[in-house]
Amino acid sequence: ETGVTQSPTHLIKTRGQQVTLRCSSQSGHNTVSWYQQALGQGPQFIFQYYREEENGRGNFPPRFSGLQFPNYSSELNVNALELDDSALYLCASSSDRSSYETQYFGPGTRLLVL
Amino acid sequence: AQSVTQPDIHITVSEGASLELRCNYSYGATPYLFWYVQSPGQGLQLLLKYFSGDTLVQGIKGFEAEFKRSQSSFNLRKPSVHWSDAAEYFCVVNAGGTSYGKLTFGQGTILTVHP
Repeated sequence: ETGVTQSPTHLIKTRGQQVTLRCSSQSGHNTVSWYQQALGQGPQFIFQYYREEENGRGNFPPRFSGLQFPNYSSELNVNALELDDSALYLCASSSDRSSYETQYFGPGTRLLVL
Repeated sequence: AQSVTQPDIHITVSEGASLELRCNYSYGATPYLFWYVQSPGQGLQLLLKYFSGDTLVQGIKGFEAEFKRSQSSFNLRKPSVHWSDAAEYFCVVNAGGTSYGKLTFGQGTILTVHP
């Protein structure tokens, strides 16, 4: 069974640019959540996708957007990058959107904005 | 405001010693509670979770946690620490209901294990 995978592993962008991060969910999972982890902090919830629909959003501006595809893989897009967007971006998949379902995390994409 | 607090940023223990990591939450009702561990190159891994029932929860790698409603706490324990337990530990909360999969993480506790 393949776990959650993310690409790329590392990325360097400049302020104002746009970035797309990708996540492949674990086999059989229909729910994907995205988190931002700044250095020295715990991850913060960005949003969740359930069966291709956004199913909840944290306190992130609209320049953070996402997509989930029919195979339940997902993308996180960030427009107009700011220096504070530098962080580890984590994707997690689960078999359902319920609160008690275990979320399985990928290794993350480390984004550096210069 | 809803929050989850881990009072200890960094804890150092000797190998073989017992361990307790503290966690307090502030929510209107009993939330769903989790402990995750994050190791370099390993990603975030679930140790255990609590929803209801027995307040002492067993997890993987010999960890356990106890839910105490009166203290709004969910502390993680291990009787004998191994060097491989060195990592960062997060107490995590889900408020339930329409929160669905929104996990709220504490600040984390970094565990260092001395030989």
